[in-house]
Amino acid sequence: KAGVTQTPRYLIKTRGQQVTLSCSPISGHRSVSWYQQTPGQGLQFLFEYFSETQRNKGNFPGRFSGRQFSNSRSEMNVSTLELGDSALYLCASSLSDGGGEQYFGPGTRLTVT
Amino acid sequence: AQTVTQSQPEMSVQEAETVTLSCTYDTSENNYYLFWYKQPPSRQMILVIRQEAYKQQNATENRFSVNFQKAAKSFSLKISDSQLGDTAMYFCAFMKISGTYKYIFGTGTRLKVLA
Repeated sequence: KAGVTQTPRYLIKTRGQQVTLSCSPISGHRSVSWYQQTPGQGLQFLFEYFSETQRNKGNFPGRFSGRQFSNSRSEMNVSTLELGDSALYLCASSLSDGGGEQYFGPGTRLTVT
Repeated sequence: AQTVTQSQPEMSVQEAETVTLSCTYDTSENNYYLFWYKQPPSRQMILVIRQEAYKQQNATENRFSVNFQKAAKSFSLKISDSQLGDTAMYFCAFMKISGTYKYIFGTGTRLKVLA
């Protein structure tokens, strides 16, 4: 079974621009979660989607948004980029039962200049 | 709100020795899962071990074991016979079972195994 894939792997943007990141979960996984990882802050939960619906949301401003498609693939969008948005963005998928294990992708490294 | 605290930002251990990583959490929930995840340098995060809160027996996975103290809200990870491949960031995580679930991660402990 193929693992979680994320595209692109690296991205450089300038302040004020917007960006879209993509995540393809493991086949059969209907839950997709997004995290922002920065040194010293660990992983901060952004949101979780299940069957095309946002089921959970973290404490991030409205500039961060996401969606999930019928094939469970998910995208997250960040508008009006700020320097502080530079981070590794991780996507994780899991089975629908919420029973625990999350399978992580390799992440997208976003640098905002 | 739930919180997860890892008080050791960095640790090192000699190869073949044993090391314990600490994690404490705060929650009013009674049913939840606790996890340790490992993120090797430039590699994907993977699950190391999982503990269900309703189970009193501590989880073990080969060289990895936990010391789960529910009343103290403590969940430490013990790595026995440390290997160079254990060098990684280790994250403790909490997930409640009731209602919709989401993970809460600690800030991580960077473990370096020395040859």
